[in-house]
Amino acid sequence: SQQGEEDPQALSIQEGENATMNCSYKTSINNLQWYRQNSGRGLVHLILIRSNEREKHSGRLRVTLDTSKKSSSLLITASRAADTASYFCAYGNNRLAFGKGNQVVVIP
Amino acid sequence: EAGVVQSPRYKIIEKKQPVAFWCNPISGHNTLYWYLQNLGQGPELLIRYENEEAVDDSQLPKDRFSAERLKGVDSTLKIQPAELGDSAVYLCASSLGTGAEETQYFGPGTRLLVL
Repeated sequence: SQQGEEDPQALSIQEGENATMNCSYKTSINNLQWYRQNSGRGLVHLILIRSNEREKHSGRLRVTLDTSKKSSSLLITASRAADTASYFCAYGNNRLAFGKGNQVVVIP
Repeated sequence: EAGVVQSPRYKIIEKKQPVAFWCNPISGHNTLYWYLQNLGQGPELLIRYENEEAVDDSQLPKDRFSAERLKGVDSTLKIQPAELGDSAVYLCASSLGTGAEETQYFGPGTRLLVL
């Protein structure tokens, strides 16, 4: 199956710092999504970036997409303790494939 | 507006027993998904419904798993008989339309432990 690969797998930062995580994929895509999952909860959609977009912002989130490298990054600026979660990229043209996820811990 | 509802939230059974999970999607959402999520992994699609039709069930282990979506609203996912390796979180999601561009709304999941 098509699985995105996020890097790094786990990240621990202090509140107020920025958190960056990456995702790579293997096929051509029309768009890529990022989701967040808090412990014991379902996933929540964060942002979608289309293949003709290079960068997109939503609040404290910044997503980039490099289709030539088949990679995307998610940046969370000025992190908060509430940002502690797992973050997944998801992509696919018919069926969404989710990556393995990045665990982010924001220390107050 | 209520989100995706799943029940039960937790289930513990012995191997070889049957188990069923229920999902009520967001009202008006035509597409419903069942995912399996192992610890430390991303969700993996088991089956996708468009209304009452299963349009993508290629990842569903049909020897022991079955699903239905009667009347195109609620859905149930069944495992019979359960195996130790089925221990995981089973997530239900729904979306207004179909296609990978659609935002999927997830329920809290059912955590299954098979002993």
